[in-house]
Amino acid sequence: GEDVEQSLFLSVREGDSSVINCTYTDSSSTYLYWYKQEPGAGLQLLTYIFSNMDMKQDQRLTVLLNKKDKHLSLRIADTQTGDSAIYFCAESALDSGGGADGLTFGKGTHLIIQP
Amino acid sequence: EPEVTQTPSHQVTQMGQEVILRCVPISNHLYFYWYRQILGQKVEFLVSFYNNEISEKSEIFDDQFSVERPDGSNFTLKIRSTKLEDSAMYFCASSDWEEGELGNEQFFGPGTRLTVL
Repeated sequence: GEDVEQSLFLSVREGDSSVINCTYTDSSSTYLYWYKQEPGAGLQLLTYIFSNMDMKQDQRLTVLLNKKDKHLSLRIADTQTGDSAIYFCAESALDSGGGADGLTFGKGTHLIIQP
Repeated sequence: EPEVTQTPSHQVTQMGQEVILRCVPISNHLYFYWYRQILGQKVEFLVSFYNNEISEKSEIFDDQFSVERPDGSNFTLKIRSTKLEDSAMYFCASSDWEEGELGNEQFFGPGTRLTVL
């Protein structure tokens, strides 16, 4: 079945760039997502990338996709204390289900910001 | 900004009891989902719902689970006879995806923590 893997923790200094990595197994993955979860809150979609793209940039966020290696990364430039959260990688495949497709999530990476 | 809401935030129940978790999706959304996250584990897809019927469900979503949209605003998940292993955070999500649209932004609620004793 589909699987999404992430490392559990990442510690960075405030002001540095954070790079959170994710690997997935489903070759039919069409959409790949990054969600952010702050304590006590739900999952907030940060960005997503379509599988025919290599890169997507949105302000401080850069998503890189290596489809051959099934590797996705999220780079947060100039990391701030407010970026401290759990970041989930997720994927879905385009099939007859279309918009009703459930997402397959990784376990989440805890981003820890050091002052 | 519209958001998905869930009640209660925490539900404690005895094993074997029925529970109903409630969600109010974003009002113009047409697709609704339930996910769960057992402590320390991944967020797992349970079921999706569209046009008043289940669109897709995972292996986890067995006969003990059911979903319903009893009125125009609520979306519920019922667990008929809870087991200890049903203890988890349950997330509701909704989406306004349209066919042909790239990406499917699912908006998540804050979750209901279910504790089965």
